[in-house]
Amino acid sequence: QQKVQQSPESLIVPEGGMASLNCTFSDRNSQYFWWYRQHSGEGPKALMSIFSNGDKKEGRFTAHLNKASLHVSLHIKDSQPSDSALYFCAVSTLNQGKLIFGQGTKLSIKP
Amino acid sequence: DMKVTQMPRYLIKRMGENVLLECGQDMSHETMYWYRQDPGLGLQLIYISYDVDSNSEGDIPKGYRVSRKKREHFSLILDSAKTNQTSVYFCASSFSGTGGYEQYFGPGTRLTVL
Repeated sequence: QQKVQQSPESLIVPEGGMASLNCTFSDRNSQYFWWYRQHSGEGPKALMSIFSNGDKKEGRFTAHLNKASLHVSLHIKDSQPSDSALYFCAVSTLNQGKLIFGQGTKLSIKP
Repeated sequence: DMKVTQMPRYLIKRMGENVLLECGQDMSHETMYWYRQDPGLGLQLIYISYDVDSNSEGDIPKGYRVSRKKREHFSLILDSAKTNQTSVYFCASSFSGTGGYEQYFGPGTRLTVL
């Protein structure tokens, strides 16, 4: 069974700073990698996906995938108070479509 | 407007009572999901439905059952609720059941079983 672990559990970053969130997975057949964000009292919402090794940039957000190291990360540049949320890494394999979610990283942006 | 709705948003039940959670989506998505969220555990998949009357167990199906009679509607049923089923339940939908498609989540139902 795929295991997805996120670190750190919580993170405090000053406004305008860089936030870095990490995720490791256990199945080398993993194919699809997602980052979801959940604001308090709401459902999770997809932030971005990455399916190939390397970097993918969308605005202030950059995802990095290294399948050989079983590692995916999310970097948030110029952090804003609205970035304060719970961030989930989610992984699936090609043959098993369901997503396995990590336990989440709570990000707080300090004004 | 791409939307997943859930009813009710809050529910308090006594142990042993039956619980019905309802979910709807307006995107004609084939695949729908039920998750529960507990602090420190992330989102755990209860059931996945690939289309009408095509349901599969997720990772924690014990104590739950589902019904999908229309593509846009997916129900989660707890027969004789237990206190350890107190949680926040999320419904989601996606175009396809492969992991390559975004899942759209509803706002959640907070269930308390006393």
